[in-house]
Amino acid sequence: GAVVSQHPSWVICKSGTSVKIECRSLDFQATTMFWYRQFPKQSLMLMATSNEGSKATYEQGVEKDKFLINHASLTLSTLTVTSAHPEDSSFYICSARYANTEAFFGQGTRLTVV
Amino acid sequence: AQSVTQPDIHITVSEGASLELRCNYSYGATPYLFWYVQSPGQGLQLLLKYFSGDTLVQGIKGFEAEFKRSQSSFNLRKPSVHWSDAAEYFCAVNLGGFKTIFGAGTRLFVKA
Repeated sequence: GAVVSQHPSWVICKSGTSVKIECRSLDFQATTMFWYRQFPKQSLMLMATSNEGSKATYEQGVEKDKFLINHASLTLSTLTVTSAHPEDSSFYICSARYANTEAFFGQGTRLTVV
Repeated sequence: AQSVTQPDIHITVSEGASLELRCNYSYGATPYLFWYVQSPGQGLQLLLKYFSGDTLVQGIKGFEAEFKRSQSSFNLRKPSVHWSDAAEYFCAVNLGGFKTIFGAGTRLFVKA
């Protein structure tokens, strides 16, 4: 149980376009979902926290207009990287939790902007 | 501010040797503590976690960790390392069940 799925697992897009990444909790209802970014050989940095039906809370330094997060249902959150540029290339990982459990992580999405 | 420190950027051990990865945290209360492993290009796999109770926790793949409140530490150990254990290891703290912060990671190299 407690499976979190991300889609796509990797994506290549052209500079200036937008790309959407999905995070789904497959067998539980996620009250909270988190989005992380990981640069090569670095740790995971929390970007934002989203609760179903409300606006996401962004960490300091994260551009909310650049990284749009939608958590429309208890099983789905999406991260849209708008007007992507090569510096947005990174590994994005989501996690989800319910009640008082720990967060369960997706397998990540490798974004490459060319 | 809350923080997680993994003082070793990388560690090299011989196959069959014992392993200890260090983790210290800074937090006002006793947090929920985790160790994750990440293979290159992959997501995170939970090795073990500590919420409360017995301070020595057993995890998957033969790993264990010990919570020491007096030292604010949660070190990961394995008695005999296998070549397949080579990966990046992250210590993480879940602050009051709200969000998780990660240490910088320790890359484990295993030599034959």
